[in-house]
This record gives sequence, C-alpha cells and structure tokens, in this order.
Amino acid sequence: QQQVKQSPQSLIVQKGGISIINCAYENTAFDYFPWYQQFPGKGPALLIAIRPDVSEKKEGRFTISFNKSAKQFSLHIMDSQPGDSATYFCAADAGGTSYGKLTFGQGTILTVHP
Amino acid sequence: DAMVIQNPRYQVTQFGKPVTLSCSQTLNHNVMYWYQQKSSQAPKLLFHYYDKDFNNEADTPDNFQSRRPNTSFCFLDIRSPGLGDAAMYLCATSRKLAGEGEQYFGPGTRLTVT
Repeated sequence: QQQVKQSPQSLIVQKGGISIINCAYENTAFDYFPWYQQFPGKGPALLIAIRPDVSEKKEGRFTISFNKSAKQFSLHIMDSQPGDSATYFCAADAGGTSYGKLTFGQGTILTVHP
Repeated sequence: DAMVIQNPRYQVTQFGKPVTLSCSQTLNHNVMYWYQQKSSQAPKLLFHYYDKDFNNEADTPDNFQSRRPNTSFCFLDIRSPGLGDAAMYLCATSRKLAGEGEQYFGPGTRLTVT
C-alpha cells in the first residue's frame, strides 16, 4: 500500500514533442505529490509538486495532472528539449501522518532527441 | 551558494574497511536524511534526524550508522562495507517533518567497494 508505481521505465521523445510520465498510488493518506528531476551524477531536484485539492498545476513547460478518484497523477513536459533528458521520479508524502517520508516511484529515464 | 554539500564526491574503500561520508547544509533545516541510491533505482531512505532525534528505517542494516553533532552537519558511517553497499549516497534536508515535504538533495557521494 506504500508503493508508488511509475511508468514508463524509459521514454524517448523528439525535440518539441510532449513527454508524459504516469504514477499511481494506493495509500489514501498521501497528500503531497512532488516530481523530482535527476541528472547523471547529481542529486534529485524538486521540479514541481501538487496537493490533491487541485486537479492540475502548471509551471512553465511542466504540468502535473492529478486524478484523486483514480489515485493517479502524471507529469507532462510540453515542447520537450534535449536539456530535459534526465531521470524523473514521482513521489508521495503522507504529510501530517508521517514524518515527511517520501515514497518514490521507480523512475523514468527520459531521452529527448534533437 | 551551495545549500547541501557532500564530501567526498567519490569514495573508494576496501571490503570491510570502515568509511565515513559527510554532509553539511547552509539552509538551517531541522531535518536531515540519508538515502542510498543504486544504479537505475529510486533513492531508498536509510534514516533521518529531526533535530537530534534519530529515526532508523526498519530495513536499514545495522552496518549503517549516523551522527549529527550539530544542525549543519550529518555523517553516515558504514562500519564494514560489503560489495553490495556500493552505491550513491544522498543527503537531503527539509525545513520540517510534515507538510510540504520539499527535500533539498546534495550532489551525492559515489561509494565504490573493492
């Protein structure tokens, strides 16, 4: 029940295309859903995050869509660029019922071809 | 203007030889975390400190210990490294335990065990 399932494992997109990464969870206590971006040899960095009281959040080219009833959320990267090539992790946090422990998805390796 | 600093970036140790990894932060955050990340996997939480309160994950091997002498510094001690402990070790901080859950990661220390 603590798992966050992420798909696809890898994704190849052409420059200018849309990248879509999906995550699903079971634990209804999760109330904060961040996405982290990790470049090779670097630590993860927070990209964008959402709470379940909104269905969508957009920051620049990055959008999170959230479906509370289906317990699913996804990251959309519009106009994908080669510089977006990285590993993306979705995560979930149970907030007040935990100690800020992030449960990570398995990761998606995104490659954007020029 | 680095916020979470990890030293060294690369560490080579021999099988069974104790090793210490260090982490420092300039954010004055209350919480510090240690994660282990193996190749192509999500970060796995080992333990965290909320101020001086230490919290061990149930499945963290006894071989792993941690010290936090003050707010700014945290150390990861691996008492008898095995080949399976070769990984990237990530330190992260957050302002508080629950709530927003945003964690700031350091660049990691790549540990090689020979």
